[in-house]
Amino acid sequence: EPEVTQTPSHQVTQMGQEVILRCVPISNHLYFYWYRQILGQKVEFLVSFYNNEISEKSEIFDDQFSVERPDGSNFTLKIRSTKLEDSAMYFCASSGLAGNTGELFFGEGSRLTVL
Amino acid sequence: AQSVSQHNHHVILSEAASLELGCNYSYGGTVNLFWYVQYPGQHLQLLLKYFSGDPLVKGIKGFEAEFIKSKFSFNLRKPSVQWSDTAEYFCAVKGNTGRRALTFGSGTRLQVQP
Repeated sequence: EPEVTQTPSHQVTQMGQEVILRCVPISNHLYFYWYRQILGQKVEFLVSFYNNEISEKSEIFDDQFSVERPDGSNFTLKIRSTKLEDSAMYFCASSGLAGNTGELFFGEGSRLTVL
Repeated sequence: AQSVSQHNHHVILSEAASLELGCNYSYGGTVNLFWYVQYPGQHLQLLLKYFSGDPLVKGIKGFEAEFIKSKFSFNLRKPSVQWSDTAEYFCAVKGNTGRRALTFGSGTRLQVQP
């Protein structure tokens, strides 16, 4: 069964450092998403991406964040200068074109710890 | 804006007990509703979804959920839980505005004791 894969599974970084989280969505999907979950809190939407551009973003997704689909298979989330409060589990998801009600398929997440 | 509330944060049940997890949403229009499950160390997986039609939706592993429009609710149920159902359960909503992203609730951690 096709799946969304994410790397790394866990990254520890110092405050102020840049971090890139990588995702390989399901190959025939066209919509891509990043969510995050701070420990003990709800899963929060960050950004959605379609046709090589951001289609929607939340207020969390400020100028420190960026997304890119550099090579037609990877979908990356970059945090330019990490803060302590960026520590969370980051989930990538993708969906196909099953109307407007398509299911989101999630990866296993990348745990980011900012020290 | 849409929002989702899950009132039970941590539920502990014995095997064979019945389960009902509450989910209420806030949105003024037509919605699509989902329950996702996250087993320990694994990714979020879809349990079931409601788009339209029969408000009683059956999903995988014996789970079902009922959409009650008048109560803005989409509670998850299972008549007899198993130890393997131990997981975190997330309710999610998507409005019909064209936005594809889901809004999730805070999750309910279910612990089933053998």
